[in-house]
Amino acid sequence: DSGVTQTPKHLITATGQRVTLRCSPRSGDLSVYWYQQSLDQGLQFLIQYYNGEERAKGNILERFSAQQFPDLHSELNLSSLELGDSALYFCASSATPGVSYNEQFFGPGTRLTVL
Amino acid sequence: GEDVEQSLFLSVREGDSSVINCTYTDSSSTYLYWYKQEPGAGLQLLTYIFSNMDMKQDQRLTVLLNKKDKHLSLRIADTQTGDSAIYFCAESVNDYKLSFGAGTTVTVRA
Repeated sequence: DSGVTQTPKHLITATGQRVTLRCSPRSGDLSVYWYQQSLDQGLQFLIQYYNGEERAKGNILERFSAQQFPDLHSELNLSSLELGDSALYFCASSATPGVSYNEQFFGPGTRLTVL
Repeated sequence: GEDVEQSLFLSVREGDSSVINCTYTDSSSTYLYWYKQEPGAGLQLLTYIFSNMDMKQDQRLTVLLNKKDKHLSLRIADTQTGDSAIYFCAESVNDYKLSFGAGTTVTVRA
């Protein structure tokens, strides 16, 4: 158990809908990362938050957004869903970015299926 | 930019050694990582190596780094059925993200 929790574990929805994925980082970790794992794209970095502020963006679509709350949990919002958004979404957390060694602890993932 | 490549599949007999290879393109990578993903689970960090090291050994795991060729390998000694999983090579250049390879599916056969 990495200490990172994600809910829900599975999510099935229809095209055009909006969903919210939730992540709670390990106790004490200030940084949260979101990744998307799909068959065709592999594991792709989406976005990072550090202590409530957006720190870096990767291959995140404009239809997707995220935030990190004062209690450090994070939510990833996916809107106007398309079939191609079906994937496993991972959240990871780490203690302190800004140091070279950046061990990220991954949650179990949320499997999103868009029908 | 970052680009990490690894072979997609490896089949190995129980008790033999497994070697998983990875190449990366960003010469400014500071740390390189090996993650393991078991079915239905998240990624678990197995080991990492700092870019100024050539080798790191951790029990059954040996990581070799050839910085000149930008080649990284993971050797698992005495491979067991519990080692069946997908293994991801990843590099970090900045502090904010990991760039992953596509993953190598290791199948251990009896």
